[in-house]
Amino acid sequence: AQSVTQLGSHVSVSEGALVLLRCNYSSSVPPYLFWYVQYPNQGLQLLLKYTSAATLVKGINGFEAEFKKSETSFHLTKPSAHMSDAAEYFCAVNTAGGGNKLTFGTGTQLKVEL
Amino acid sequence: GAGVSQSPSNKVTEKGKDVELRCDPISGHTALYWYRQSLGQGLEFLIYFQGNSAPDKSGLPSDRFSAERTGGSVSTLTIQRTQQEDSAVYLCASSPGTERNSPLHFGNGTRLTVT
Repeated sequence: AQSVTQLGSHVSVSEGALVLLRCNYSSSVPPYLFWYVQYPNQGLQLLLKYTSAATLVKGINGFEAEFKKSETSFHLTKPSAHMSDAAEYFCAVNTAGGGNKLTFGTGTQLKVEL
Repeated sequence: GAGVSQSPSNKVTEKGKDVELRCDPISGHTALYWYRQSLGQGLEFLIYFQGNSAPDKSGLPSDRFSAERTGGSVSTLTIQRTQQEDSAVYLCASSPGTERNSPLHFGNGTRLTVT
Protein backbone atom coordinates (compact mmCIF):
# COMPACT_ATOMS: atom_id res chain seq x y z
CA ALA A 1 0.00 0.00 0.00
CA GLN A 2 1.11 3.55 -0.67
CA SER A 3 1.16 6.31 1.92
CA VAL A 4 2.69 9.70 2.61
CA THR A 5 3.70 11.32 5.87
CA GLN A 6 3.95 15.06 6.24
CA LEU A 7 6.08 16.11 9.18
CA GLY A 8 4.77 19.21 10.90
CA SER A 9 1.11 20.09 10.70
CA HIS A 10 2.02 23.78 11.09
CA VAL A 11 5.07 25.61 9.77
CA SER A 12 5.76 29.29 10.31
CA VAL A 13 8.35 31.30 8.38
CA SER A 14 9.21 34.94 7.98
CA GLU A 15 8.58 36.67 4.69
CA GLY A 16 11.68 36.24 2.52
CA ALA A 17 12.88 33.15 4.37
CA LEU A 18 13.28 29.65 2.97
CA VAL A 19 10.18 27.46 2.93
CA LEU A 20 10.70 23.74 3.58
CA LEU A 21 7.73 21.41 3.84
CA ARG A 22 8.54 17.78 4.44
CA CYS A 23 7.00 14.72 2.84
CA ASN A 24 8.07 11.10 3.09
CA TYR A 25 6.42 8.37 1.11
CA SER A 26 5.98 4.66 1.28
CA SER A 27 5.34 2.79 -1.92
CA SER A 28 5.75 -0.77 -3.12
CA VAL A 29 6.14 0.43 -6.71
CA PRO A 30 7.97 3.43 -8.21
CA PRO A 31 5.85 6.31 -6.95
CA TYR A 32 4.24 9.20 -8.71
CA LEU A 33 4.23 12.07 -6.23
CA PHE A 34 2.34 15.34 -6.13
CA TRP A 35 2.15 18.53 -4.12
CA TYR A 36 -1.13 20.42 -3.95
CA VAL A 37 -1.95 23.76 -2.33
CA GLN A 38 -5.28 24.73 -0.80
CA TYR A 39 -6.20 28.33 -0.14
CA PRO A 40 -9.03 29.09 2.32
CA ASN A 41 -12.46 27.99 1.11
CA GLN A 42 -11.06 26.68 -2.13
CA GLY A 43 -10.29 23.32 -3.64
CA LEU A 44 -6.82 21.94 -4.16
CA GLN A 45 -4.55 23.24 -6.88
CA LEU A 46 -1.64 21.28 -8.34
CA LEU A 47 1.76 22.78 -7.52
CA LEU A 48 3.99 20.16 -9.10
CA LYS A 49 4.36 16.47 -9.79
CA TYR A 50 7.09 13.87 -10.02
CA THR A 51 6.59 11.14 -12.59
CA SER A 52 10.00 9.43 -12.81
CA ALA A 53 11.64 11.95 -15.11
CA ALA A 54 13.91 14.58 -13.56
CA THR A 55 14.31 14.22 -9.81
CA LEU A 56 14.19 17.99 -9.29
CA VAL A 57 10.75 19.20 -10.21
CA LYS A 58 9.82 22.84 -10.65
CA GLY A 59 6.27 23.97 -10.11
CA ILE A 60 4.18 27.09 -10.03
CA ASN A 61 4.74 30.12 -7.81
CA GLY A 62 8.49 29.43 -7.45
CA PHE A 63 8.09 26.11 -5.64
CA GLU A 64 10.18 23.05 -6.36
CA ALA A 65 10.61 19.58 -4.92
CA GLU A 66 13.33 16.99 -5.10
CA PHE A 67 12.65 13.27 -5.27
CA LYS A 68 15.19 11.33 -3.19
CA LYS A 69 14.70 7.61 -3.47
CA SER A 70 17.35 6.79 -0.87
CA GLU A 71 15.50 8.91 1.68
CA THR A 72 11.98 8.14 0.37
CA SER A 73 11.38 11.87 0.48
CA PHE A 74 9.77 14.52 -1.69
CA HIS A 75 10.22 17.74 0.24
CA LEU A 76 8.78 21.00 -1.07
CA THR A 77 10.92 24.15 -1.02
CA LYS A 78 10.80 27.78 -2.01
CA PRO A 79 13.83 30.06 -1.60
CA SER A 80 11.92 33.12 -0.45
CA ALA A 81 8.49 33.05 1.17
CA HIS A 82 5.82 35.55 0.24
CA MET A 83 2.75 36.47 2.22
CA SER A 84 0.61 35.01 -0.56
CA ASP A 85 2.14 31.57 0.08
CA ALA A 86 0.16 31.20 3.29
CA ALA A 87 -2.06 28.18 2.68
CA GLU A 88 -2.32 24.47 3.39
CA TYR A 89 -0.06 22.14 1.44
CA PHE A 90 -0.74 18.49 0.74
CA CYS A 91 1.64 15.82 -0.46
CA ALA A 92 0.09 12.90 -2.32
CA VAL A 93 1.17 9.62 -3.84
CA ASN A 94 -0.51 7.85 -6.69
CA THR A 95 -2.14 4.61 -5.65
CA ALA A 96 -1.10 1.81 -7.92
CA GLY A 97 -3.57 -0.82 -8.96
CA GLY A 98 -5.79 0.89 -11.45
CA GLY A 99 -7.26 4.30 -11.90
CA ASN A 100 -5.52 7.36 -10.64
CA LYS A 101 -6.46 7.48 -6.98
CA LEU A 102 -4.28 9.70 -4.86
CA THR A 103 -3.45 9.04 -1.22
CA PHE A 104 -2.95 12.33 0.58
CA GLY A 105 -0.97 13.32 3.61
CA THR A 106 -2.62 15.15 6.47
CA GLY A 107 -1.42 18.52 5.23
CA THR A 108 0.89 21.28 6.47
CA GLN A 109 -0.47 24.71 7.23
CA LEU A 110 2.08 27.33 6.19
CA LYS A 111 2.03 30.67 7.97
CA VAL A 112 4.11 33.57 6.63
CA GLU A 113 4.91 36.37 9.04
CA LEU A 114 6.21 39.86 8.41
CA GLY B 1 -12.70 26.94 -19.57
CA ALA B 2 -14.87 26.33 -16.56
CA GLY B 3 -13.45 24.33 -13.71
CA VAL B 4 -15.06 21.67 -11.55
CA SER B 5 -18.28 23.02 -10.11
CA GLN B 6 -19.82 21.79 -6.86
CA SER B 7 -23.15 22.65 -5.30
CA PRO B 8 -24.23 23.64 -2.80
CA SER B 9 -21.15 25.31 -1.37
CA ASN B 10 -22.55 24.95 2.13
CA LYS B 11 -25.18 22.60 3.50
CA VAL B 12 -26.54 22.44 7.01
CA THR B 13 -28.80 19.51 7.79
CA GLU B 14 -30.32 17.82 10.79
CA LYS B 15 -29.13 14.47 11.97
CA GLY B 16 -31.07 11.71 10.28
CA LYS B 17 -31.88 13.62 7.10
CA ASP B 18 -30.65 12.66 3.64
CA VAL B 19 -28.44 15.01 1.61
CA GLU B 20 -27.36 15.17 -2.01
CA LEU B 21 -24.16 16.84 -3.14
CA ARG B 22 -23.60 17.64 -6.79
CA CYS B 23 -20.45 17.75 -8.90
CA ASP B 24 -20.14 19.02 -12.45
CA PRO B 25 -16.72 18.00 -13.81
CA ILE B 26 -14.64 19.70 -16.46
CA SER B 27 -16.06 18.95 -19.89
CA GLY B 28 -14.30 16.03 -21.52
CA HIS B 29 -12.81 14.66 -18.32
CA THR B 30 -13.49 10.96 -18.15
CA ALA B 31 -12.50 10.34 -14.55
CA LEU B 32 -14.34 11.71 -11.51
CA TYR B 33 -13.44 11.37 -7.83
CA TRP B 34 -15.04 12.18 -4.50
CA TYR B 35 -12.91 12.89 -1.45
CA ARG B 36 -13.82 13.88 2.09
CA GLN B 37 -11.78 16.38 4.08
CA SER B 38 -12.32 16.41 7.82
CA LEU B 39 -10.86 18.95 10.21
CA GLY B 40 -7.26 18.11 11.04
CA GLN B 41 -7.14 15.20 8.65
CA GLY B 42 -6.03 14.73 5.12
CA LEU B 43 -8.23 13.92 2.21
CA GLU B 44 -10.01 10.60 2.40
CA PHE B 45 -10.83 8.88 -0.89
CA LEU B 46 -14.48 7.92 -1.22
CA ILE B 47 -15.33 6.80 -4.75
CA TYR B 48 -13.99 6.95 -8.30
CA PHE B 49 -15.73 6.81 -11.70
CA GLN B 50 -14.02 6.15 -15.00
CA GLY B 51 -16.06 6.20 -18.18
CA ASN B 52 -18.59 3.40 -18.30
CA SER B 53 -16.64 1.13 -15.97
CA ALA B 54 -18.02 0.03 -12.64
CA PRO B 55 -17.09 2.64 -10.03
CA ASP B 56 -14.45 1.98 -7.40
CA LYS B 57 -16.43 2.29 -4.17
CA SER B 58 -13.68 1.04 -1.91
CA GLY B 59 -13.49 4.26 0.09
CA LEU B 60 -17.14 4.68 1.02
CA PRO B 61 -17.28 4.57 4.84
CA SER B 62 -20.69 2.94 5.16
CA ASP B 63 -23.71 1.84 3.16
CA ARG B 64 -25.32 5.19 3.96
CA PHE B 65 -23.04 6.66 1.32
CA SER B 66 -23.69 6.22 -2.39
CA ALA B 67 -22.86 8.03 -5.59
CA GLU B 68 -23.86 7.96 -9.19
CA ARG B 69 -22.63 9.56 -12.36
CA THR B 70 -25.18 10.14 -15.07
CA GLY B 71 -24.23 10.23 -18.71
CA GLY B 72 -20.57 10.18 -17.87
CA SER B 73 -20.75 13.75 -16.63
CA VAL B 74 -22.53 15.10 -13.55
CA SER B 75 -22.18 13.13 -10.33
CA THR B 76 -24.27 13.12 -7.17
CA LEU B 77 -23.04 11.93 -3.79
CA THR B 78 -25.89 10.93 -1.49
CA ILE B 79 -25.62 10.49 2.25
CA GLN B 80 -28.61 8.87 3.89
CA ARG B 81 -29.57 9.28 7.53
CA THR B 82 -26.77 11.74 8.16
CA GLN B 83 -24.76 11.54 11.36
CA GLN B 84 -22.70 14.23 13.06
CA GLU B 85 -19.49 12.47 12.08
CA ASP B 86 -20.43 13.04 8.44
CA SER B 87 -19.70 16.76 8.93
CA ALA B 88 -16.80 17.57 6.61
CA VAL B 89 -15.89 19.21 3.33
CA TYR B 90 -16.70 16.98 0.39
CA LEU B 91 -14.41 17.59 -2.56
CA CYS B 92 -14.98 16.47 -6.11
CA ALA B 93 -12.20 16.21 -8.68
CA SER B 94 -12.01 15.28 -12.32
CA SER B 95 -9.17 14.17 -14.53
CA PRO B 96 -8.73 13.90 -18.28
CA GLY B 97 -7.51 10.31 -17.98
CA THR B 98 -6.50 7.58 -15.64
CA GLU B 99 -2.77 7.63 -16.30
CA ARG B 100 -0.80 7.86 -13.09
CA ASN B 101 0.61 11.24 -14.03
CA SER B 102 -2.75 12.75 -14.93
CA PRO B 103 -3.46 15.59 -12.47
CA LEU B 104 -6.70 15.92 -10.58
CA HIS B 105 -8.65 19.16 -10.89
CA PHE B 106 -10.62 19.94 -7.74
CA GLY B 107 -13.79 21.87 -7.13
CA ASN B 108 -14.17 24.22 -4.18
CA GLY B 109 -16.05 21.64 -2.17
CA THR B 110 -19.31 21.39 -0.29
CA ARG B 111 -19.09 22.07 3.43
CA LEU B 112 -21.58 19.77 5.15
CA THR B 113 -22.62 20.44 8.72
CA VAL B 114 -24.85 17.94 10.48
CA THR B 115 -26.54 19.34 13.58
